[in-house]
Amino acid sequence: RKEVEQDPGPFNVPEGATVAFNCTYSNSASQSFFWYRQDCRKEPKLLMSVYSSGNEDGRFTAQLNRASQYISLLIRDSKLSDSATYLCVVTAWDSNYQLIWGAGTKLIIKP
Amino acid sequence: DGGITQSPKYLFRKEGQNVTLSCEQNLNHDAMYWYRQDPGQGLRLIYYSQIVNDFQKGDIAEGYSVSREKKESFPLTVTSAQKNPTAFYLCASRPSTDLNPYNSPLHFGNGTRLTVT
Repeated sequence: RKEVEQDPGPFNVPEGATVAFNCTYSNSASQSFFWYRQDCRKEPKLLMSVYSSGNEDGRFTAQLNRASQYISLLIRDSKLSDSATYLCVVTAWDSNYQLIWGAGTKLIIKP
Repeated sequence: DGGITQSPKYLFRKEGQNVTLSCEQNLNHDAMYWYRQDPGQGLRLIYYSQIVNDFQKGDIAEGYSVSREKKESFPLTVTSAQKNPTAFYLCASRPSTDLNPYNSPLHFGNGTRLTVT
């Protein structure tokens, strides 16, 4: 089983819709969680950190469920520019806080 | 503007040749990292360095070597011993050696796409 798993997609979503996807992690010692966005053939860029109580940044909402060991990302009122691959990243104190990356979920927003 | 510069953007080499990928940062970051990304896979850590003249192996260090002679520079050499070198290579840095990434977010360069034939 992979340490961090994501549905590869693609998720094909009409512009303006709400879309959500999850990321599961296997290490119960995981402490830090992040969502990165990666455009085609570009470097990843930090979208948002994920905190225990959940957090929101504009149209983006991130949630953490420690009991079930997953994090989620919800995008409201999706824009064409949201089309990208969304990477889940997890770190754990018992692995010296090294970042463990998911393979990403591809999102395609259609006009 | 401060940032991380990787060069070249595209690199083509023949099998059996060593090749060095450049990574330079002017962000005054202490920690630097090399990752490899293959299609359908997450980023995998090759090497990292938290201080000048010191570096540590990551999960897939075999067939690679690095040096950290200057704070600004962390070049990666892909040797002929690396069995599958064709990949997208990403260099990254963090402001401090504080291991908790909430306190020290990762910054990436634009990447080098290496093709070995």
